[in-house]
Formats: sequence, structure tokens, C-alpha cells
Amino acid sequence: GAGVSQSPSNKVTEKGKDVELRCDPISGHTALYWYRQSLGQGLEFLIYFQGNSAPDKSGLPSDRFSAERTGGSVSTLTIQRTQQEDSAVYLCASSPRRGGNTEAFFGQGTRLTVV
Amino acid sequence: SQQGEEDPQALSIQEGENATMNCSYKTSINNLQWYRQNSGRGLVHLILIRSNEREKHSGRLRVTLDTSKKSSSLLITASRAADTASYFCATLHSGNTPLVFGKGTRLSVIA
Repeated sequence: GAGVSQSPSNKVTEKGKDVELRCDPISGHTALYWYRQSLGQGLEFLIYFQGNSAPDKSGLPSDRFSAERTGGSVSTLTIQRTQQEDSAVYLCASSPRRGGNTEAFFGQGTRLTVV
Repeated sequence: SQQGEEDPQALSIQEGENATMNCSYKTSINNLQWYRQNSGRGLVHLILIRSNEREKHSGRLRVTLDTSKKSSSLLITASRAADTASYFCATLHSGNTPLVFGKGTRLSVIA
């Protein structure tokens, strides 16, 4: 595909359930970001993958959140034992991060609602 | 926190007027970028300014950067109703670090 793809677009889950959110970055992009955005708010950084380096997990809000990036491509963000405060739009972005090209390309996000 | 801060939080102007949004940050940067978001979904990159640049133009957009004041401004000239969106600045601080976004400015352009 030409852009960053996220699935599902919307997810409604019951409190206490686990959810997995998927991100397919642009082919060849070495950097991948996850952000969270609550209604009307800014982007909260969650985790950053860059090439083969250890991911920057400094933004993960609790140990219920984890993410992996397999083969330097697809990434999955997992939220265990979801809480109502986890309701937000989860945005994924990828970037070449080469030759000074650090522009981020965003997917359309996954809107998570925990009921 | 390295997070940038935009101001104002919200701005409402008439079509044809200019819109100015500001962004401040706390630590030295490699570059600063502006993004636009419609309807609370994916962001779109508008313009990037490097730390050694002071001003950059792209169409109706003009970005300035003052590293001594750790601030940037985005000017949209001759605004249109279609410019209604949220605008975010993002800073890249150094090396292998993530892009850090501010809280955004909600711009409403009234026809």
C-alpha cells in the first residue's frame, strides 16, 4: 500500500479484556511510532522503534501496554486488562529517518472504546 | 518533558484573514515540524524547518524559528474555510529520539 495502514479502524471492548492494534508502515521506513490521543487533546508519545535499535518505551503509561515490531515492518500494540481511561485514538506513524528525512507519515488511527 | 506547547489553544478567524500559531519548546532541537489534523484522525505533514534555518515558506504557509527563544510560529495567509483543522508542532531533539508533539491549536476559519 502507499500509506500507513492501521487496523481495526474502530474497536469496542469490555473493561478487562485484552486488545491488539495493528500498524503496517510504509515499506522501507525504518522508524515507527505509536501515539495516543484522547478527545480534543494532543498526541501522547507511547513507543518508538528505529531500525534494529532497542525500542524507546519511555512513553508507555503502564505495564499493561506493550508493543512489538516484527521483521522491522508490522507493529502490534497490545493493551492488557483494558480500563476505561484507555479509551482514545491510537495513532501509528512511520518515517524514513534517513538523510535528514524525518517527516512522519500517519495512519488513520484506531479508535478504542472501553465500556 | 520535552513536549512543545502551542498557543493559542484555539483560534477563530474570518476567511481571508491571516492565522498565526506559536510553538515553544524546552530543549535544543535538530528540527521542528508542523502537522495538520482534520477530524481527530491521521496527521499530515506540512513543513519542516531545521535548527540552522530561520524562515521557510511553502505556498500560503510561512514558518519561522527562533532557537534563542526556543520558539516557532506558523503563519497561514489568506485563510480559507478548508484550513479549519488542528495544527501541531513536533520537535526532533537529537539523534535517535522520537518526534515529540505539542497539544495543538484548533483553528476555525469562518466563511
